[in-house]
Amino acid sequence: DSGVTQTPKHLITATGQRVTLRCSPRSGDLSVYWYQQSLDQGLQFLIQYYNGEERAKGNILERFSAQQFPDLHSELNLSSLELGDSALYFCASSPFQGRGTEAFFGQGTRLTVV
Amino acid sequence: QKEVEQDPGPLSVPEGAIVSLNCTYSNSAFQYFMWYRQYSRKGPELLMYTYSSGNKEDGRFTAQVDKSSKYISLFIRDSQPSDSATYLCAMSYRDDKIIFGKGTRLHILP
Repeated sequence: DSGVTQTPKHLITATGQRVTLRCSPRSGDLSVYWYQQSLDQGLQFLIQYYNGEERAKGNILERFSAQQFPDLHSELNLSSLELGDSALYFCASSPFQGRGTEAFFGQGTRLTVV
Repeated sequence: QKEVEQDPGPLSVPEGAIVSLNCTYSNSAFQYFMWYRQYSRKGPELLMYTYSSGNKEDGRFTAQVDKSSKYISLFIRDSQPSDSATYLCAMSYRDDKIIFGKGTRLHILP
């Protein structure tokens, strides 16, 4: 167990809908990273937050947004969902502002858009 | 050309064999090189982390980086059925944005 908790584990929703994925980082970790994993694209970095502030952005669509709250948990919001958004979404956390290389991953949320 | 290339496998080897997993990359600016193991329905788990070139050993695992050839390898000695998983190589030039390979599925046959 990495200590990173993601909820829900599975989510099935219809196209056009909006969902929120939640991540609780390891105790004491200030950085949260979000990744998307699909069969065709592999694991792709979406966005990083450090102590409540956005620090780095990757291949995140405009329909997606994230935030990190004062208690350090983070939420990833996905809106106007399309079939192609079906994927595993991982959250990872690290004590460091950089050092995404040493982050610990949660078990992921499997999103299915129908 | 993709930034990171990794053979998807599957790679099947008998228990006890030495496993060699490889990735090639195109961006010469990469400085941080990692290998992750991902079991089915689990998140990736960091196995090995190397900065710049050279070798690093940890138990049965050895990571090699050859920056001149833009080639990294992970060797697993005395492979066990519990090593069956997908292995992802990853690299970055800054230590926040990481580029992952698509992973190689490894099966260790008892």
